[in-house]
Amino acid sequence: DQQVKQNSPSLSVQEGRISILNCDYTNSMFDYFLWYKKYPAEGPTFLISISSIKDKNEDGRFTVFLNKSAKHLSLHIVPSQPGDSAVYFCAARVPDSSYKLIFGSGTRLLVRP
Amino acid sequence: SQTIHQWPATLVQPVGSPLSLECTVEGTSNPNLYWYRQAAGRGLQLLFYSVGIGQISSEVPQNLSASRPQDRQFILSSKKLLLSDSGFYLCAWGQYTIYFGEGSWLTVV
Repeated sequence: DQQVKQNSPSLSVQEGRISILNCDYTNSMFDYFLWYKKYPAEGPTFLISISSIKDKNEDGRFTVFLNKSAKHLSLHIVPSQPGDSAVYFCAARVPDSSYKLIFGSGTRLLVRP
Repeated sequence: SQTIHQWPATLVQPVGSPLSLECTVEGTSNPNLYWYRQAAGRGLQLLFYSVGIGQISSEVPQNLSASRPQDRQFILSSKKLLLSDSGFYLCAWGQYTIYFGEGSWLTVV
């Protein structure tokens, strides 16, 4: 049973346009959500996060939106750049002492020059 | 600042051989530590986590084990590798945000 789902395995966007990556979750107890960017054969790098008490968090070109009623979050990248091409994972934190993250299966973003 | 290192970066092991992947964290004390695995074309699966020395929690039944002999050291082991153990293994630390190491590619042949 996947608690965190990224239903789009891939996304292709023109440079300069907006990239929107989506993520759905099933457990309403998750209290913190994160996005990671991953290049092949490297560890994921933290990108941006949002607490469950907020609905938007912005950091430069990256904005994460959270819709708790729909159990849905999205990552917006504006404007998209070729260097943004990577696999993006969303993750949800379990609200206990483990602080463990449950990850989605990832979305591969390709930004075309 | 905090850093995390894991090694070896790449290894090819025959079926039935043992495994030891090591991870250390610097610049923090009593971190939560994690081992994740990414199988080919798949997402990140949590294998083990530890909230303190000697405290290990397993997330999925498998052929692997983990140990935390020191506060900032986390080891992933196997006595006999299976073909299905092949994958990209990631050590991580943190609490509110989790930070990952560089990863270790394991190919079991």
